[in-house]
Amino acid sequence: QSVLTQPPSVSAAPGQRVTISCAGSTSSIGNNFVSWYQQFPGTAPKLLIYDNNKRPSGIPDRFSGSKSGTSAALGIAGLQTGDEADYYCGTWDSSLSAMVFGGGTKLSVL
Amino acid sequence: EVQLLESGGGLVQPGGSLRLSCAASGFSFSTSVLTWVRQAPGKGLEWVSSINEHLDTYYADSVKGRFAVSRDNSKNTLFLQLNSLRAEDTAVYYCTKSSSRVTAIGDWGQGILVTVSS
Repeated sequence: QSVLTQPPSVSAAPGQRVTISCAGSTSSIGNNFVSWYQQFPGTAPKLLIYDNNKRPSGIPDRFSGSKSGTSAALGIAGLQTGDEADYYCGTWDSSLSAMVFGGGTKLSVL
Repeated sequence: EVQLLESGGGLVQPGGSLRLSCAASGFSFSTSVLTWVRQAPGKGLEWVSSINEHLDTYYADSVKGRFAVSRDNSKNTLFLQLNSLRAEDTAVYYCTKSSSRVTAIGDWGQGILVTVSS
C-alpha cells in the first residue's frame, strides 16, 4: 500500500483534458514538493513535473501540475494516443525520511 | 548528455548478495544527489536509497540494514550492495540522478534486473 494514493486508471478521449490526483498527508505532500513521472511499458520513467508545477526543458505545456494542501494533481490537455502510459507522483515524506511514490495511474486515451 | 549505465544484476538465491554498479557521465558527478529506484515486475515505483554530495545516505525501511549505497567520485560510479536478498527484492533497479531536489529525478538509467529465486 503506497503512502501516496492515486486512482489505478483514468481514461478520456483524444483532444480532451484529464486530471490525475495524488493524495498524501501533511508530512508528505503537505510539507514537500511534488514531482510527476511518465512511464511507457518496458522503459524508464521520465520526469514530467517537478516542484509541484515546473516543467523540465522539452516537456510540452499540455502537461501541468498543481498542489493544494495535502493533495496534488497532474493535468494533461489535448490528449493524444501517445500519452497512454503509467503516471506516478512522488515526494519526500518528512516523517519517514524517505521518498515516496504513488501507486501509479494507467491512462487510456480511447 | 547525462548517461547512467547499470551493471551487476542477475539471478541470485535467497539470502545471497549482489553488487550493482552505475557508471555515470555527462554531469558533475561529485556534486549530484544519486538515487536507486526499483520496480518489481508489473508493480509501481519504489524508492530504495539516496546518497548526496556529503555522503549522507538514506534508505527505505524495506531495505534498511540489508542494502548499502556508496559512491566513488574518482570513477564517477555509484554502487548498491544488496545483502540478505529476498524474493520480494526481485525488481528492475534504476540508477538515477536528481535535479533541483532529491525527489526531482531528472535522469534515469535503463535499469537492470535482479531476480532472487532458488
